[in-house]
Amino acid sequence: GEEVAQTPKHLVRGEGQKAKLYCAPIKGHSYVFWYQQVLKNEFKFLISFQNENVFDETGMPKERFSAKCLPNSPCSLEIQATKLEDSAVYFCASSQIGMNTEAFFGQGTRLTVV
Amino acid sequence: GQQVMQIPQYQHVQEGEDFTTYCNSSTTLSNIQWYKQRPGGHPVFLIQLVKSGEVKKQKRLTFQFGEAKKNSSLHITATQTTDVGTYFCAGPHSGAGSYQLTFGKGTKLSVIP
Repeated sequence: GEEVAQTPKHLVRGEGQKAKLYCAPIKGHSYVFWYQQVLKNEFKFLISFQNENVFDETGMPKERFSAKCLPNSPCSLEIQATKLEDSAVYFCASSQIGMNTEAFFGQGTRLTVV
Repeated sequence: GQQVMQIPQYQHVQEGEDFTTYCNSSTTLSNIQWYKQRPGGHPVFLIQLVKSGEVKKQKRLTFQFGEAKKNSSLHITATQTTDVGTYFCAGPHSGAGSYQLTFGKGTKLSVIP
């Protein structure tokens, strides 16, 4: 498809519960990026993939966050044992040839941890 | 690590006035990208600048890339209510195992009709 599809649009989890977010990149795009946007509008980089390989995971809080991009499946971002501070909008973006070209963003998933 | 700073954080203008947002990187960039995010929406790519001193125009929007490729600006002439949103600059960062697009904190533009 010609747009990045993120599901669900909204997700509410109790503190300590697991949250799983999905992203289907645009067909033919090799790179996928996950960003977390909190109330101040800042974009915090989490992780990037080149196809199914992790390219850069320097932004991931690894103790609770994990992500995958498997062939023929949507990419996923999973948060184990959510905390209140995980409440944010999570954006996935894809691009054809990496960060030196236009990134197409999905609509985002708004995660609310209560 | 690389930092991308953007000012101002907020700008309120009367419709018809001009608007400018500035972006500065702590390191030289191979390119700089600009995105617009409407309230409640997702970032949408506006433009990419690659060459030192490059200037590009899109109707009322003018984008500049500095000679040293460390700063950039976006200027909107005669703002309209449709220009409302947050404008982000972003620069690629690579090195020491990192490969990411680093965003500035954005400039939120409000246009008073």
